[in-house]
Amino acid sequence: QVQLVESGGGLVKPGGSLRLSCAASGFSLSDYHMSWIRQAPGKGLEWVSYISSSSIYTRYGDSVKGRSTISRDNAKNSLSLQMNSLTAEDTAVYFCARCNGDVIDSWGQGTLVTVSS
Amino acid sequence: QAVLTQPSSLSGSPGASASLTCTLRSGIKVATYRISWYQQKPGSPPQYLLTYKSDSDKQQGSGVPSRFSGSKDASANAGILLISGLQSEDEADYYCMIWHGSAYVFGSGTKVTVL
Repeated sequence: QVQLVESGGGLVKPGGSLRLSCAASGFSLSDYHMSWIRQAPGKGLEWVSYISSSSIYTRYGDSVKGRSTISRDNAKNSLSLQMNSLTAEDTAVYFCARCNGDVIDSWGQGTLVTVSS
Repeated sequence: QAVLTQPSSLSGSPGASASLTCTLRSGIKVATYRISWYQQKPGSPPQYLLTYKSDSDKQQGSGVPSRFSGSKDASANAGILLISGLQSEDEADYYCMIWHGSAYVFGSGTKVTVL
């Protein structure tokens, strides 16, 4: 059974940083590309970042490009997202997601990031 | 203009069929894309429903009932999620998604209400 469990969310001040983590189980992480997707309160889904199975390729959405870094440790079955220079617009639930080709086929429960002074 | 456009809401009666559209921006041809659909209920993460490119290139999510199906309307440049036999449990937000320009792109979502 595929399980993705996010952690690391919380309250952070504007301009601050946060590192989100995702623990994967029930499948071999090294076989899949992975993504982070976020959802602001009451809003729709926004893709944030992507990393290929062997970390060769990374991609970022325009809203986080230049201030975020996605990484993974296949040996530890974990995915991470480092976010810097946070603003109120980054307030959202962040989902870890498994990419199966061009399809996102599994999602974690999400972790809430709140940026506020 | 957004890459993917979805109507904000749709309602239907139990047992009826609901057709949700996902219109691709002009210049982006629906025929070339695999369109995925997700269902999200309040307080829960999205759940994968299905992906449709053509009748020969489609996949159903694990455990997703066959009353959820995908298709396309080439004349409208749109992907379609058809929900047959609406049930109260189908009340949710539905999002379409494509892989475009080395990024995942989501529609803004359609809220389905079962009257």
